[in-house]
Amino acid sequence: KQEVTQIPAALSVPEGENLVLNCSFTDSAIYNLQWFRQDPGKGLTSLLLIQSSQREQTSGRLNASLDKSSGRSTLYIAASQPGDSATYLCAFHNYGQNFVFGPGTRLSVLP
Amino acid sequence: DGGITQSPKYLFRKEGQNVTLSCEQNLNHDAMYWYRQDPGQGLRLIYYSQIVNDFQKGDIAEGYSVSREKKESFPLTVTSAQKNPTAFYLCASIPPGGAEGYTFGSGTRLTVV
Repeated sequence: KQEVTQIPAALSVPEGENLVLNCSFTDSAIYNLQWFRQDPGKGLTSLLLIQSSQREQTSGRLNASLDKSSGRSTLYIAASQPGDSATYLCAFHNYGQNFVFGPGTRLSVLP
Repeated sequence: DGGITQSPKYLFRKEGQNVTLSCEQNLNHDAMYWYRQDPGQGLRLIYYSQIVNDFQKGDIAEGYSVSREKKESFPLTVTSAQKNPTAFYLCASIPPGGAEGYTFGSGTRLTVV
């Protein structure tokens, strides 16, 4: 069964820093993976989706990569802003199974 | 705009009561899901349905029930058998094949009073 971990659990950075959020998985038979953002008391907003055949996806200041050989995905946020403060979750979709979610990284970007 | 609507946003349940959470989607997605989220924990799957009139238990189905009479609707009932129902409940859907990933609703916060 797929197991997903996210490091760090929480992160606090000053505005303007570039940062990397990490997501590790155990089963490399991935169909796709999805990164989400969750604001307090809100639902999940999809940020990026990477198909199994892809290595990375980019949207604005966000870049997500997938390395199946090492069992890792990273979310890179460039020039962080206070509005980026939220919890970031990764989720993996394996063939024939439902998505498995990581516990999330809680990000605070300080002005 | 297409999306998922969850209602109510906040719900209070007395001990011994059953309550029903609504989830409606206009995305024409076949598969729908219910997740529970507790503070500091990841999402846990309660029930899912891949087609109308069919649904399967997830990892924590005890104390919950669902129905799928219409493609657009997937209501979740939290029964009195669920001993610790206070949590944030999220509904999601996904198109056929799953290649486009999940879309989530805005959630319902259930509190036992």
